[in-house]
Amino acid sequence: DAGVIQSPRHEVTEMGQEVTLRCKPISGHDYLFWYRQTMMRGLELLIYFNNNVPIDDSGMPEDRFSAKMPNASFSTLKIQPSEPRDSAVYFCASSFGTGVPGELFFGEGSRLTVL
Amino acid sequence: GIQVEQSPPDLILQEGANSTLRCNFSDSVNNLQWFHQNPWGQLINLFYIPSGTKQNGRLSATTVATERYSLLYISSSQTTDSGVYFCAVEPYQTGANNLFFGTGTRLTVIP
Repeated sequence: DAGVIQSPRHEVTEMGQEVTLRCKPISGHDYLFWYRQTMMRGLELLIYFNNNVPIDDSGMPEDRFSAKMPNASFSTLKIQPSEPRDSAVYFCASSFGTGVPGELFFGEGSRLTVL
Repeated sequence: GIQVEQSPPDLILQEGANSTLRCNFSDSVNNLQWFHQNPWGQLINLFYIPSGTKQNGRLSATTVATERYSLLYISSSQTTDSGVYFCAVEPYQTGANNLFFGTGTRLTVIP
């Protein structure tokens, strides 16, 4: 079975540009999570969806960040405009749970560098 | 919010040695998972273990939920075990499906 698939794996952009990260969760999973990992703050949850509906976006840093899940097999995380402090590895993860998420599976991450 | 503390922060082992990694959490939890982040950055789920004991090959984990800690045992360590081990917990409260990650234990296994 294919795991969680993220693209792009690496992105280098200039400050002010729009960045879109993409994620395909494991088929059949009903929870999808976006995490960000930095040296300073470790792994932080940005937002998560259940059955394509955003449940908790309290971790989204500010209005420059937005996430969508138009269907069960695709999600995007958009940063507009990007800033150097957004440089991090962004992970997408999915799980299957009845009421609460179960075992969490991560994608390989998207490493973002904003110059 | 819930606090997740892992110890030790760093660990260096000779290949073949055994080790115990600890995760303490400050509140009751619904869910606890252990992850390994390899040197290439990939996060692999090792155990889903909100309570009890599980074993998978050379790895095993025990969670004592009533005492708010979990242990990850690595036996006969190999160089491929190197990386960062994370404990993540979900607080025991209605609607909280957020996994909080500890700061990790960085393990280096030398040949």
